[in-house]
Amino acid sequence: DAKTTQPNSMESNEEEPVHLPCNHSTISGTDYIHWYRQLPSQGPEYVIHGLTSNVNNRMASLAIAEDRKSSTLILHRATLRDAAVYYCILRPYNAGNMLTFGGGTRLMVKP
Amino acid sequence: KAGVTQTPRYLIKTRGQQVTLSCSPISGHRSVSWYQQTPGQGLQFLFEYFSETQRNKGNFPGRFSGRQFSNSRSEMNVSTLELGDSALYLCASTPGQGNAGANVLTFGAGSRLTVL
Repeated sequence: DAKTTQPNSMESNEEEPVHLPCNHSTISGTDYIHWYRQLPSQGPEYVIHGLTSNVNNRMASLAIAEDRKSSTLILHRATLRDAAVYYCILRPYNAGNMLTFGGGTRLMVKP
Repeated sequence: KAGVTQTPRYLIKTRGQQVTLSCSPISGHRSVSWYQQTPGQGLQFLFEYFSETQRNKGNFPGRFSGRQFSNSRSEMNVSTLELGDSALYLCASTPGQGNAGANVLTFGAGSRLTVL
């Protein structure tokens, strides 16, 4: 399985942008890049996903490197409710829902 | 629309007992997958069911089993419980068809199992 590498933790100030990096140097051409986050005492929730182009939605933006070996999740204005563990996951087109979660990045937001 | 519903939310069992956890997926979703989350191992894939058939299986012993019903609801069972089975068990659903890479998983809140 292609693997992802993320920093264990990051800290941000409230209302400032946050850039969460993810390295996936062994990504294959058909792997989608997904981001999920897990708030305390909850199941993971979907944030955003992309294949090659940068993506925006109401929660965040996803910037994908041209060689697709890394990506960055961008939270434009962090709030206290964004404090969570963020997981970067590669989803092959043909592997069903057998996902491999790494350790994720624990984001702490300071008021 | 209603999300993924898992029951029970919390339960306590003793070693050697068995447990059954239930998951109701989002209406119309035909794929249900199960994950185990522990502080030491993180989130690990258990198995996936699609249209009542197991489609993928993770690296867990045979004590862990599951099934899916015709209405897409799924159950997982753990027999002969061990202390190490204490974990948060998460269920997720997707439509299950088409390009899996683009499908988004919707997770339930999980069932927290404590084995004493």
